[in-house]
Amino acid sequence: GAGVSQSPSNKVTEKGKDVELRCDPISGHTALYWYRQSLGQGLEFLIYFQGNSAPDKSGLPSDRFSAERTGGSVSTLTIQRTQQEDSAVYLCASSPGRGVGTDTQYFGPGTRLTVL
Amino acid sequence: DQQVKQNSPSLSVQEGRISILNCDYTNSMFDYFLWYKKYPAEGPTFLISISSIKDKNEDGRFTVFLNKSAKHLSLHIVPSQPGDSAVYFCAASGTASKLTFGTGTRLQVTL
Repeated sequence: GAGVSQSPSNKVTEKGKDVELRCDPISGHTALYWYRQSLGQGLEFLIYFQGNSAPDKSGLPSDRFSAERTGGSVSTLTIQRTQQEDSAVYLCASSPGRGVGTDTQYFGPGTRLTVL
Repeated sequence: DQQVKQNSPSLSVQEGRISILNCDYTNSMFDYFLWYKKYPAEGPTFLISISSIKDKNEDGRFTVFLNKSAKHLSLHIVPSQPGDSAVYFCAASGTASKLTFGTGTRLQVTL
């Protein structure tokens, strides 16, 4: 079926505003991940969902960042009171969730966030 | 602390030749390694992986080698094709599901 989709593809916002980024994983994939890639950097892990619960939130950089997942499917990453350093490409990935580590993650195209 | 390192930000190889991309890691708990390819404005695409119980995995033109004692892995592409031009990311995982990525190597395959 379809791959991982993300919306919007681009988002420009003003400093201090809140933004919501959406991820639709591959149908049937139980695991969902959020990463971000800042300019010139590798991908940085943010949060991992197994079903609707988030056993690993260790990568969220501050309490301005939160994420939820409903129905074991769609996930929303929310950034409150955005700052310029939040500018990055936010990538979502999903995997079948068969097991840790060896579960291949499939990525969406990303949302490019620019905070002015 | 960068646990996965790709020390070459770019590499240029002639079409038909071998491309060798390198990756080093520091965390001895990593036991699964992957290579992803990324084109501009697209998400990373899974290429090939290797478990720590192996030292080589091959898939068509792509081969990944793992040297656990040196904490080093490499991706060989042979023969290189212009369509291989992209940014290649090395990634590693351990007991946690999350992937730790390197900063990427931009491969340019020239005619």
